[in-house]
Amino acid sequence: GAVVSQHPSWVICKSGTSVKIECRSLDFQATTMFWYRQFPKQSLMLMATSNEGSKATYEQGVEKDKFLINHASLTLSTLTVTSAHPEDSSFYICSARDSLTSVETQYFGPGTRLLVL
Amino acid sequence: QKEVEQDPGPLSVPEGAIVSLNCTYSNSAFQYFMWYRQYSRKGPELLMYTYSSGNKEDGRFTAQVDKSSKYISLFIRDSQPSDSATYLCAMSGMTGGFKTIFGAGTRLFVKA
Repeated sequence: GAVVSQHPSWVICKSGTSVKIECRSLDFQATTMFWYRQFPKQSLMLMATSNEGSKATYEQGVEKDKFLINHASLTLSTLTVTSAHPEDSSFYICSARDSLTSVETQYFGPGTRLLVL
Repeated sequence: QKEVEQDPGPLSVPEGAIVSLNCTYSNSAFQYFMWYRQYSRKGPELLMYTYSSGNKEDGRFTAQVDKSSKYISLFIRDSQPSDSATYLCAMSGMTGGFKTIFGAGTRLFVKA
């Protein structure tokens, strides 16, 4: 149980284009999902907290107009990197909390590697 | 001072060794303590979860929490090459609506 999927697993795009990443909780409902960014050999950097049916809460320094988050259902959250630039190249990981069983633990997706040329 | 401190390593041990991974923290409001394992180019995987102080054992893994010292540990017995990964400690509490704070992660290499 507690499986989180991400799609795509990797993407290469041209500078200036937008990229959408999907995060799904496959066998549980998640009212809260999180989006992280991770650079090589560094820890997770929380970008935003996504709550089903409401606006996402962004961490300080994260541009909400650049990283659009939509959490339209209890099992799906999307992150759209708008007008991507090479400096947006990174490993993006989502996680989800199981609404019914745990308010503390997070289950992570496998990550999406983004390369902007 | 960071809320959670974790030595990034790397830590290199021979196969079969007992591994000790540690984190310290400064926020006494933390009540929930987790350890995640992350293989290269993969998302973190929840290994252990502990509430408040005490020990928890699961197979070769033991998690310890000492709230009086604000210190948590993960022990791996009979370490295997497949244990080679980055181990992240994480903690959360009532403060901030259960926002989880992660350590930097310790890179572990178990040599065959």
